[in-house]
Amino acid sequence: DVKVTQSSRYLVKRTGEKVFLECVQDMDHENMFWYRQDPGLGLRLIYFSYDVKMKEKGDIPEGYSVSREKKERFSLILESASTNQTSMYLCASSGEGGHTEAFFGQGTRLTVV
Amino acid sequence: GESVGLHLPTLSVQEGDNSIINCAYSNSASDYFIWYKQESGKGPQFIIDIRSNMDKRQGQRVTVLLNKTVKHLSLQIAATQPGDSAVYFCAESFGNFNKFYFGSGTKLNVKP
Repeated sequence: DVKVTQSSRYLVKRTGEKVFLECVQDMDHENMFWYRQDPGLGLRLIYFSYDVKMKEKGDIPEGYSVSREKKERFSLILESASTNQTSMYLCASSGEGGHTEAFFGQGTRLTVV
Repeated sequence: GESVGLHLPTLSVQEGDNSIINCAYSNSASDYFIWYKQESGKGPQFIIDIRSNMDKRQGQRVTVLLNKTVKHLSLQIAATQPGDSAVYFCAESFGNFNKFYFGSGTKLNVKP
């Protein structure tokens, strides 16, 4: 069974904290993605990576950074968490090339207080 | 992708009826489309995909129709079951990195 695993299901952090969201996939996929999901807005792409140490901005990268030091792991970093970053965060991975599905993790619900 | 309103469209159907969920996509260059199903508290799950060189594809109890002229995608679910209750998203992509853009979703509510 293919697996994308996010390290936490629920997180509560304080404003100004540095937050790390971790994602691991076991499918040897080249591409990995971070989305955030908000009611009525669907999923919006924050960052993606198509190879180790490579990263590209998505549609809403402001306030976020990412790290991909190993192929199987893709981390999302909130440098200084703010209340408007309260959201559901979804990690996904897909194989090389186009026209292949993305597999999603179960999501991390982050609340910033 | 584009942002849409805050209200999630809801489709209510009777168990055993057929369901049709529609989606308008935004980019005429998109060449690959997926329908995802998301149950409460879970990540999206793949249902069916279609490439832009096709206009119809069938799976088990599901059919996806693609109309490139009007940039419209639909998902048909035959004999809808209570387990089909979920939020359904269409996603479009183009290029080589499988970077998907998602619609805002439709909630399917199956009445027993």
